[in-house]
Amino acid sequence: GQQVMQIPQYQHVQEGEDFTTYCNSSTTLSNIQWYKQRPGGHPVFLIQLVKSGEVKKQKRLTFQFGEAKKNSSLHITATQTTDVGTYFCAGIWEDSNYQLIWGAGTKLIIKP
Amino acid sequence: GAVVSQHPSRVICKSGTSVKIECRSLDFQATTMFWYRQFPKQSLMLMATSNEGSKATYEQGVEKDKFLINHASLTLSTLTVTSAHPEDSSFYICSARDIRGSIAYEQYFGPGTRLTVT
Repeated sequence: GQQVMQIPQYQHVQEGEDFTTYCNSSTTLSNIQWYKQRPGGHPVFLIQLVKSGEVKKQKRLTFQFGEAKKNSSLHITATQTTDVGTYFCAGIWEDSNYQLIWGAGTKLIIKP
Repeated sequence: GAVVSQHPSRVICKSGTSVKIECRSLDFQATTMFWYRQFPKQSLMLMATSNEGSKATYEQGVEKDKFLINHASLTLSTLTVTSAHPEDSSFYICSARDIRGSIAYEQYFGPGTRLTVT
C-alpha cells in the first residue's frame, strides 16, 4: 500500500541550531502536507505543497517538494523553544479520496 | 475560522461499557470527517472516513461493529466505542474537511479525546 517514510524519529538540537525532517514516498504524490503537534495537543496544519520542485517559506520554516514529487523536507533555521513538538508529513495521492497517509513524525527536542 | 470541537476531552470508563465521542465542525460544513487513533509517541492511525449521510469507510483491521461511526449532519460525526476493553485506551482525534476550503484536502483537527478503559 501507499506509505510515507519520515526520518529521523527524533532530533535533539541546541536552541539556535537548525532542524530538518525528511519524508519519502515510493510512488508519486499528488500533494504533501505538513503538520505540527505540540506535546499533549492535536495536529495543526502548517502548509501544503502541490507543485514539483516547490519551495515555500514561513518565517524560519522552509518546506520543499521534490522534483519527482516523491520526497519533501521541512527545515527550521535557528530553532527556538516554541518550535518544540512533533512534525508530521502527510501524503495525498490522486485516488486517495482526501485521505492523508501520515509519516511517523519527527520529534524536535531542544537540549537544556 | 475552521474550528473543530471534540467532546469529551477525557473519559474513563469501565471495561464492557460503551463510550460516545462527538466531533463537531463549529464554523464550517464538513462533508467528510476522519477518525484517527494515536498511541503514545506514535503517528496518527486512520480508523475510518466518515461521509455525511452515508456509511463510514473503515480501514483494514478496524472493527466496524466495535467502532460505530455516525455522520448524521454536515457538522457532527460521532464515534462510539462499544464494549470497551483496556486495549481500546488511546487518544482518539477527529478531523474535518471544509467543503469550501481554499486549500484542497486541508483537514482541521479536533483537540482529541483521551479514553482510558479500566
